Amino acid sequence: AQKITQTQPGMFVQEKEAVTLDCTYDTSDPSYGLFWYKQPSSGEMIFLIYQGSYDQQNATEGRYSLNFQKARKSANLVISASQLGDSAMYFCAMRVGLQGAQKLVFGQGTRLTINP
Amino acid sequence: GAVVSQHPSRVICKSGTSVKIECRSLDFQATTMFWYRQFPKQSLMLMATSNEGSKATYEQGVEKDKFLINHASLTLSTLTVTSAHPEDSSFYICSARPPQGSGRSTDTQYFGPGTRLTVL
Repeated sequence: AQKITQTQPGMFVQEKEAVTLDCTYDTSDPSYGLFWYKQPSSGEMIFLIYQGSYDQQNATEGRYSLNFQKARKSANLVISASQLGDSAMYFCAMRVGLQGAQKLVFGQGTRLTINP
Repeated sequence: GAVVSQHPSRVICKSGTSVKIECRSLDFQATTMFWYRQFPKQSLMLMATSNEGSKATYEQGVEKDKFLINHASLTLSTLTVTSAHPEDSSFYICSARPPQGSGRSTDTQYFGPGTRLTVL
């Protein structure tokens, strides 16, 4: 079964600290993609970062980096120097399926709260 | 700026009426768009994949006669909730995937801002 698991329902972090949001996945497909999206209270889904299963290096986008450990099937999101505006729901997602029939499977999400 | 728009952002309707939600791709021509539903404090669940010029592909358990999807152009997909009932109240969000040659990664889905539907 293709599944994304986020085991942290909520995380509380002090402003300016780094935070790691956990994500593990399960798939038998040799080719897949992993995503992180941020959903603030307004509801929009904001794309943060992408990691392809064949990418040799961990993806980075500004303060976001993805700690991709293929053997452990984990794709944790690391946010450095957290800011108050980082408070939101964070969803890990996996692209599954063949070209032309691809879809995203989402985890249950982690609510991140940044404290001043 | 926004890559995908949705209209309306919020709708309240009476039970038994039909509601149409529009999803527009603003930055590229999207041959494939997706419709998701999100209940409060839950994750996004894919309802259907909308393909331009052909029938939508519905996920298991989603009633195709209740949730009508029309992808009539490369920039517009619509979701019509027919004979809506209170249990259909939810946050509906669409996404679009860029085609090859658009200058954007074809791996990434770009989401609209969502539509909050309340059925009384």
